[in-house]
Amino acid sequence: DAGVIQSPRHEVTEMGQEVTLRCKPISGHNSLFWYRQTMMRGLELLIYFNNNVPIDDSGMPEDRFSAKMPNASFSTLKIQPSEPRDSAVYFCASTKGASGRNQPQHFGDGTRLSIL
Amino acid sequence: KNQVEQSPQSLIILEGKNCTLQCNYTVSPFSNLRWYKQDTGRGPVSLTIMTFSENTKSNGRYTATLDADTKQSSLHITASQLSDSASYICVVSIQTGANNLFFGTGTRLTVIP
Repeated sequence: DAGVIQSPRHEVTEMGQEVTLRCKPISGHNSLFWYRQTMMRGLELLIYFNNNVPIDDSGMPEDRFSAKMPNASFSTLKIQPSEPRDSAVYFCASTKGASGRNQPQHFGDGTRLSIL
Repeated sequence: KNQVEQSPQSLIILEGKNCTLQCNYTVSPFSNLRWYKQDTGRGPVSLTIMTFSENTKSNGRYTATLDADTKQSSLHITASQLSDSASYICVVSIQTGANNLFFGTGTRLTVIP
């Protein structure tokens, strides 16, 4: 079975540019999560969706970040305009159920983002 | 304040040796605790999930323990292998609220031959 698929795996761009990260969750999973991981802060939840609806976006750092889930098999995380402090690894994860509370989350291999 | 702290930050052991990683939490109301393994350049992979009533759970050479009274968990790795080199992340879930997962910053384990 295919796992969570993220693209691109690596992204290097100049500050001020728009960045779009993509995620395809595991088929049949109805919750999707976006995380950011840095050495200093570890994994941080940015936003999560249940049945394509954003449930909690309190982790989104600021208005420059936005996420969409137009259907059950696709989600995007967009940063516009990007800044050097956005450099991190961004993970997408999916799970069955209404939240990540009682089921293991399945993570993609992440997008390593570098903003110059 | 809900927090998850892991120790040590990093650990180097010889292949074949055992080791124990620690996780202390102040999260409440507790729902479950899980350990993830994260290889370099990969996403985290779930090793174990334990609820309040479980105090031990094994997954091959990995054994997790939970003491809900002291709010401590440990992950014991037996007969370590080079492939165990990874970061191990403790995640605690609470029973309420939408944003209900709290992450430790991980322990970086290096197994050397």
